[in-house]
Amino acid sequence: AQKVTQAQTEISVVEKEDVTLDCVYETRDTTYYLFWYKQPPSGELVFLIRRNSFDEQNEISGRYSWNFQKSTSSFNFTITASQVVDSAVYFCALSEVVHTSGTYKYIFGTGTRLKVLA
Amino acid sequence: NAGVTQTPKFRVLKTGQSMTLLCAQDMNHEYMYWYRQDPGMGLRLIHYSVGEGTTAKGEVPDGYNVSRLKKQNFLLGLESAAPSQTSVYFCASITADREETQYFGPGTRLLVL
Repeated sequence: AQKVTQAQTEISVVEKEDVTLDCVYETRDTTYYLFWYKQPPSGELVFLIRRNSFDEQNEISGRYSWNFQKSTSSFNFTITASQVVDSAVYFCALSEVVHTSGTYKYIFGTGTRLKVLA
Repeated sequence: NAGVTQTPKFRVLKTGQSMTLLCAQDMNHEYMYWYRQDPGMGLRLIHYSVGEGTTAKGEVPDGYNVSRLKKQNFLLGLESAAPSQTSVYFCASITADREETQYFGPGTRLLVL
């Protein structure tokens, strides 16, 4: 069954430290999409990145970087030089096909709460 | 564009009461979703719709009903609220293009006493 696992429930780091959030997924689809979302204390869900299964290139956006490895079914997220504003809950998600209808839906991990201490 | 809006933002219900949560999007998206978020559980899909007049069950549909009479609106109903339905509810919409990402509403916080 399709599944997304974020084993780290909560991580605390001191400002300026680097931190990696892990995401492991399971899927039967050969074509799939992976996502990361940020949920700050205000509660809204903020889209960070989308990656399709055919693109294993790592991506960097400012202090954020993502490492996608199909061989280990992982899509990890690293924040370099963390800041207090990075404190949030981060969700990894997988887009799966509903084979009976050809439509798709999303499966979310349970989230990792990141606390960045000043 | 307002994007995805949810009404109400916060509501307190007594056990057994009914209510309807409204999700509206102005992006002409085909697909719409209702999720609930509980501590330590992430977002779990309640129901979804792939077009006007269609609905389908998600992971946790029991106790909820939905309707999509107009493309821009997706309603989530609780016929007889239970304390277990205390949660934060998020609505999302997306085009039929899987390359896109979901757009989320701001959430509705529901407390059932």
